[in-house]
Amino acid sequence: GQNIDQPTEMTATEGAIVQINCTYQTSGFNGLFWYQQHAGEAPTFLSYNVLDGLEEKGRFSSFLSRSKGYSYLLLKELQMKDSASYLCAPRNTGKLIFGQGTTLQVKP
Amino acid sequence: GAGVSQSPSNKVTEKGKDVELRCDPISGHTALYWYRQSLGQGLEFLIYFQGNSAPDKSGLPSDRFSAERTGGSVSTLTIQRTQQEDSAVYLCASSLAPTGGSGNTIYFGEGSWLTVV
Repeated sequence: GQNIDQPTEMTATEGAIVQINCTYQTSGFNGLFWYQQHAGEAPTFLSYNVLDGLEEKGRFSSFLSRSKGYSYLLLKELQMKDSASYLCAPRNTGKLIFGQGTTLQVKP
Repeated sequence: GAGVSQSPSNKVTEKGKDVELRCDPISGHTALYWYRQSLGQGLEFLIYFQGNSAPDKSGLPSDRFSAERTGGSVSTLTIQRTQQEDSAVYLCASSLAPTGGSGNTIYFGEGSWLTVV
C-alpha cells in the first residue's frame, strides 16, 4: 500500500527555523517532492530529491533517506508569508501521492 | 502556454447534471495529471496521461468520472450525473515526462472549483 505521514499542524516564530518531517511507504518510488500550498491556491513546487542527502535552495532545504522512507523540509529565517500547508509527495511510477500535509503557522 | 491553464475557474451545477472541466498543460509537457481536493483534505490522485494514453486511471472514484486527452495536449475531465460529494477543487498538473530527474517537476494549474447544489 501507500502511506504518507506528516504532522498535521506546526507553529513557529518569525525568524526561526522549522523542520517538517515526512515518512512514506510506496512502491515504485521515483523521487520525492515538497510543495507549498496557501489556502485557496494551487500547490507550488519547492524541492525535489531523488538521491539520498540534502538539497539546498535558498531558505528551503530538503533531505531524503530512501532506506528509511524519510524526508524532511527545513525552512530557515521564517517569514509570515511562509504560513501555509506543506505537502510531502513521493512519486510512484509517474504519479505523485499526497498525504494530508502540514499546516504551518508563523507567529510574530 | 506559460503555465497550466484550467477552465472554468468556478462552476456551480445542479445535482444530476454533467460537467466538463478543461486543462491546457504547459507547452511541450507530455505528462498530464488530474487531482481532486475536497475542503480541508489532501490531494487525491484521479488519473494521469502520457501523451494521449492513460497508463493509470486507478484514482477515478466511479464510472461517472472519465477523462480524455487529444493531440497530446488539452485534456477534459467529465463528471456525469454530478452528486454533492463531487464538490471539490479539481487540479490539473503537467510535467515534461512522468519519470526522471528534477527537470520533470510537476506544475499545477489554479484549479476548477466545482460546487454541486
